[in-house]
Amino acid sequence: QVQLQESGPGLVKPSQTLSLTCTVSGGSISSNSFYWNWIRQPAGKGLEWIGRIYTSGTANYNPSLESRVTVSVDTSKNQFFLRLSSVTAADTAVYYCATGDYFEYWGQGTLVTVSS
Amino acid sequence: DIQMTQSPSSLSAAVGDRVTITCQASQHISNYLNWFQHKPGTAPKLLIFDASSLEAGVPSRFSGSGYGTDFTFTISSLQPGDIATYFCQQYDNLPYTFGQGTQLEIK
Repeated sequence: QVQLQESGPGLVKPSQTLSLTCTVSGGSISSNSFYWNWIRQPAGKGLEWIGRIYTSGTANYNPSLESRVTVSVDTSKNQFFLRLSSVTAADTAVYYCATGDYFEYWGQGTLVTVSS
Repeated sequence: DIQMTQSPSSLSAAVGDRVTITCQASQHISNYLNWFQHKPGTAPKLLIFDASSLEAGVPSRFSGSGYGTDFTFTISSLQPGDIATYFCQQYDNLPYTFGQGTQLEIK
């Protein structure tokens, strides 16, 4: 059973870079044929898919965020990462990592607040 | 982007009631649709994939149907533990997109 856990700073200053880690347990990133995704949900709003990465390193991003987003993977640590640059208050949200054939595995989410 | 229009945004029903939620896609997505249950502070839980396939371990009172642009999610007999937000997700095209969610309450 794959388990995911997000981690990272809960507070980021405007214009800085948000960096999150998703640690995978119960399975190896490199041995699963999954895409590894990041999703976010601002308070009171719907979910927004941010991007995904495959074990090979191939990544896809939401065009609405593509200029600011990087998703990467470290198979040796069984982790994948999100970097979102030039953040504003609009980037305040609960951030989730998720994977599976049908998004059946999710982390519990981590709240990131953008504020000075 | 494919827009997913989900309704209603909130719903109040009694224990034992039949509950129906709909999702309409802005373009044809075949059957590439998930339904999730989300309770505060927890990870979203996949209930239905491929529009109508029940995820392993999910009670049979949950079901889904539809193809193309119009989809329906049903709880045949509402239980107290079903109180949550439910949302749909299309995975036909990138970027993946989600419905706005339906907040389900017990009457």
